[in-house]
Amino acid sequence: DQQVKQNSPSLSVQEGRISILNCDYTNSMFDYFLWYKKYPAEGPTFLISISSIKDKNEDGRFTVFLNKSAKHLSLHIVPSQPGDSAVYFCAASAIGNQFYFGTGTSLTVIP
Amino acid sequence: GAGVSQSPSNKVTEKGKDVELRCDPISGHTALYWYRQRLGQGLEFLIYFQGNSAPDKSGLPSDRFSAERTGESVSTLTIQRTQQEDSAVYLCASSLAAVSYEQYFGPGTRLTVT
Repeated sequence: DQQVKQNSPSLSVQEGRISILNCDYTNSMFDYFLWYKKYPAEGPTFLISISSIKDKNEDGRFTVFLNKSAKHLSLHIVPSQPGDSAVYFCAASAIGNQFYFGTGTSLTVIP
Repeated sequence: GAGVSQSPSNKVTEKGKDVELRCDPISGHTALYWYRQRLGQGLEFLIYFQGNSAPDKSGLPSDRFSAERTGESVSTLTIQRTQQEDSAVYLCASSLAAVSYEQYFGPGTRLTVT
């Protein structure tokens, strides 16, 4: 039972444009969400997080939006750069420790 | 070293053999997690250690899987009588659980069972 879903396995975006990666979850008890970025042959690296008390968190070119009523979060990258090409995972937690990960979205930024 | 390290980076084993995977977390991180990622799938939680508390083993897929952690340092994940479906990348992560939810991942061990 996949509690966190990333329905788009891949996404291609032109350099300089906005990349929008989406994530849906089913458990209304989830209160903390993270995005990770993963390059081939490396472990995931933390990108940005958001708690359920907020609906937006911004860090440089990266912004995460949370819509609790829709159980949906999204990661916006603007402007997109070729170095952003990677697999992006969203993750969610209900009690702060066990995280459930999505299946990932492979982003390709075309120069 | 500054990051989480894992060994070996690659392991090929025959079906039915036992394997041990090692994780060295970041010094001072009290929480340690094991995940596995099978081809085309997301990260699957296996087990979680937090300080001296009993580990959360709820993600272990069968009794062939076990893990130990020595204090707040090294952890080993053991898979007994390996099966082909155990082939995956096994990732370890650590965090300052009391302070931050941010998990720092190691590079993973790619396990192939032939």
